[in-house]
Amino acid sequence: GENVEQHPSTLSVQEGDSAVIKCTYSDSASNYFPWYKQELGKRPQLIIDIRSNVGEKKDQRIAVTLNKTAKHFSLHITETQPEDSAVYFCAASMDFGNEKLTFGTGTRLTIIP
Amino acid sequence: EAGVVQSPRYKIIEKKQPVAFWCNPISGHNTLYWYRQNLGQGPELLIRYENEEAVDDSQLPKDRFSAERLKGVDSTLKIQPAELGDSAVYLCASSLGRGAPREYFGPGTRLTVL
Repeated sequence: GENVEQHPSTLSVQEGDSAVIKCTYSDSASNYFPWYKQELGKRPQLIIDIRSNVGEKKDQRIAVTLNKTAKHFSLHITETQPEDSAVYFCAASMDFGNEKLTFGTGTRLTIIP
Repeated sequence: EAGVVQSPRYKIIEKKQPVAFWCNPISGHNTLYWYRQNLGQGPELLIRYENEEAVDDSQLPKDRFSAERLKGVDSTLKIQPAELGDSAVYLCASSLGRGAPREYFGPGTRLTVL
């Protein structure tokens, strides 16, 4: 089955700086890669996703890059703000066939004011 | 548009007692998922439904867990009997289905087994 590894497990960034979280996946058949943000005691919320036919996607301060050859994808948050503090999870699945999200272990991001 | 609804939000029970969780997905979403999230970890799939059919229940501990989605809309997840290790957050999610994999999560049920 699919295995997703995520690094780092914790990340502290000064407000205004950029944060980068990296994930690798094992199943070359995976073609859908979402990122979720989870605040303490709340539900995971989808913040951005990318399919394997696209190498990069951007939404305001958030961007995701995908390298299919290396089987890794990354989340980039620019101009970080205190409200960006949360746990971020990457995940991988196939959009046809085995549509089951396999999650990474999470990154606790802390923005230092 | 209403999001995924779950109840109860919190449940505290003693071990060996039964417990049930309910989920109502986003209207029109054919695929429904139940996940378990242990503290400090990512969600792990327990079961996935396409309409009323359970198409992936390989991670569901069938000796004590059961689920149903009789009319292809809302769903119930049951544990009987509960064990200490079942303490976790049980998340329900839904998506439109094939070719539309975006999953939207409910608020979860936090289960504590004493």
